[in-house]
Order: sequence, then C-alpha cells, then structure tokens
Amino acid sequence: TQLLEQSPQFLSIQEGENLTVYCNSSSVFSSLQWYRQEPGEGPVLLVTVVTGGEVKKLKRLTFQFGDARKDSSLHITAAQPGDTGLYLCAGGPTSGTYKYIFGTGTRLKVLA
Amino acid sequence: SQTIHQWPATLVQPVGSPLSLECTVEGTSNPNLYWYRQAAGRGLQLLFYSVGIGQISSEVPQNLSASRPQDRQFILSSKKLLLSDSGFYLCAWGAFPASSPLHFGNGTRLTVT
Repeated sequence: TQLLEQSPQFLSIQEGENLTVYCNSSSVFSSLQWYRQEPGEGPVLLVTVVTGGEVKKLKRLTFQFGDARKDSSLHITAAQPGDTGLYLCAGGPTSGTYKYIFGTGTRLKVLA
Repeated sequence: SQTIHQWPATLVQPVGSPLSLECTVEGTSNPNLYWYRQAAGRGLQLLFYSVGIGQISSEVPQNLSASRPQDRQFILSSKKLLLSDSGFYLCAWGAFPASSPLHFGNGTRLTVT
C-alpha cells in the first residue's frame, strides 16, 4: 500500500517566519503534486514536480522533489496570513495505475 | 475551459437512508474521474476511480458504490447510510499523461444523523 506521510501535521507561526513542510514515502511516484485547500472547498494545485531532484519556485514557495522520487518538501519564505490553509502533497500514478495518493495533510496558520 | 460541478454542497441524511452524489465535467473528453473522502483537516482517501464509461475501480471495501453512466458523469451512491459515512466528499478529474494534476469540485459535506 502506498502511503505519503506529511510533517508537521499542524503549524502555527508568526507572519514573516519561514517554514518547511515535508512529504515522505517509501514508494516511487511518477510525479509529486502540492495542493492548498481552503475550508469547504476542493484542493487547488500549486505545483507539479516530475524529475528527481527538481526544484520549482512559485513566488515565496519553493518545492523540491527528492532524487529518488519518493519524497518532497515545500518551503515558504516570509509567510503571510494569506498562506493559511491545508497543504496536501499527492503522488502521481505509477506505470499501469491511475491512482493519485494523497498525503496526510499539514494545516498551516499564519498569525498577523 | 474545463469545469467540474459537484452537488449538493451540503447534505444531512438519517442513518439507513440512500445516497446519491453527482459529479459532472465540462470541456474535456474521456477524463479519468475520482471520488475521494476527507476527514476534517486531514488528507484525502481514494474511494473510487474510473477511466471510462462503466469502468469502476474500488479502493476501499465499504458501504458505497460508484457508477459512470456517461463519459463526463460520475455518481457516488449508497443503499443504506451509516454514521461512519459522514465526511467531505470530493470529485476530481484528471487527464493523460500521468503527471497531469487533478482538478477538484467544491465537495459535498455529508452528515449522517
């Protein structure tokens, strides 16, 4: 069974602080996606990483895919209250399957 | 552009009653379709997925079933709801290749009383 563990589960920080969220698995994925979800809404895609070792930057967010394509991290620089939400990583389907496996989630709260 | 519609947004049902949640996608053909369930503030549990009309793959044996009567329609059903069926149900669609992201509806909050 493929599992994706995220850490930390909860994070409450002050505006302007930096943070890193980790997404780890013992399985290899074809891609790794990060989503953000607001209460009462569906998750919205932030980024997709495909190549082992790949790093992508989206303004203050930096995403990295592990060399072995089993883990990923999300780093936020100078967090703002608008970054508050539930962050989810998801492993893309491996050969012969169509399943996207989601991580356990990290709830981030940024205090003004 | 592609859009995904999911309804109803909220639903309160008594134990033992039937359930039907519907999801439709517009603007794309032959999408892969997914039903996920989410506990409060947690990750998503894959329930069913479909790669074509009439093709359903079940991930978790339970009190629910899914059907895909048309290319862009996905239905989640139950004959008799249990208290444990309460949760936030999300429909999503995806396309090839496998690195393509999932696109989600706004979910249905189901409360079984």
